[in-house]
Amino acid sequence: SQTIHQWPATLVQPVGSPLSLECTVEGTSNPNLYWYRQAAGRGLQLLFYSVGIGQISSEVPQNLSASRPQDRQFILSSKKLLLSDSGFYLCAWSVDGVGAGPGELFFGEGSRLTVL
Amino acid sequence: DQQVKQNSPSLSVQEGRISILNCDYTNSMFDYFLWYKKYPAEGPTFLISISSIKDKNEDGRFTVFLNKSAKHLSLHIVPSQPGDSAVYFCAASARSGGSNYKLTFGKGTLLTVNP
Repeated sequence: SQTIHQWPATLVQPVGSPLSLECTVEGTSNPNLYWYRQAAGRGLQLLFYSVGIGQISSEVPQNLSASRPQDRQFILSSKKLLLSDSGFYLCAWSVDGVGAGPGELFFGEGSRLTVL
Repeated sequence: DQQVKQNSPSLSVQEGRISILNCDYTNSMFDYFLWYKKYPAEGPTFLISISSIKDKNEDGRFTVFLNKSAKHLSLHIVPSQPGDSAVYFCAASARSGGSNYKLTFGKGTLLTVNP
């Protein structure tokens, strides 16, 4: 069976500090990978998605970047955090034929980032 | 441009009654719709989905209705239980090149089921 893990679960960082959130998927090959953010009072906003190693698509301009150094590893980074980067970050994966239908995502446990 | 809208940020119902959560969308290219349930400090989990070729899908206490002409879908939970209390996200997908479906989420509706 497939599993997804992301860490750290909780992070408190000062403004201007760097960020690295990591996500790994087990039990599947060549998944589509996603980073979403849930900010206070807002829905789930797609930040990045990746269809393969080194292939990253950005959905919104922001202070963040993503990388996929290995097939099942997805990293969210920032060189200098802003207050507005605070939120709940979710990694997710999908594979055609897995799940109830097209587009079903399987989410990780989430990472709570507080920028002070 | 918010393509998936959940206009009710919260809903409160009594245990045993019906919960109806609504969702509207604007993108005619969406061909698959999903509902996710999310507890605090956890990732969302899939609840139920419906293809654009159907108008109803039922799974136990959960039923999703799709009205394509109105670009509207709703999730019915009956009977509602206290354990259903969570944030419910409506999501929609449209094929976006190859096999990569991207989900567009609404802002969510916080459902509270009172004992």
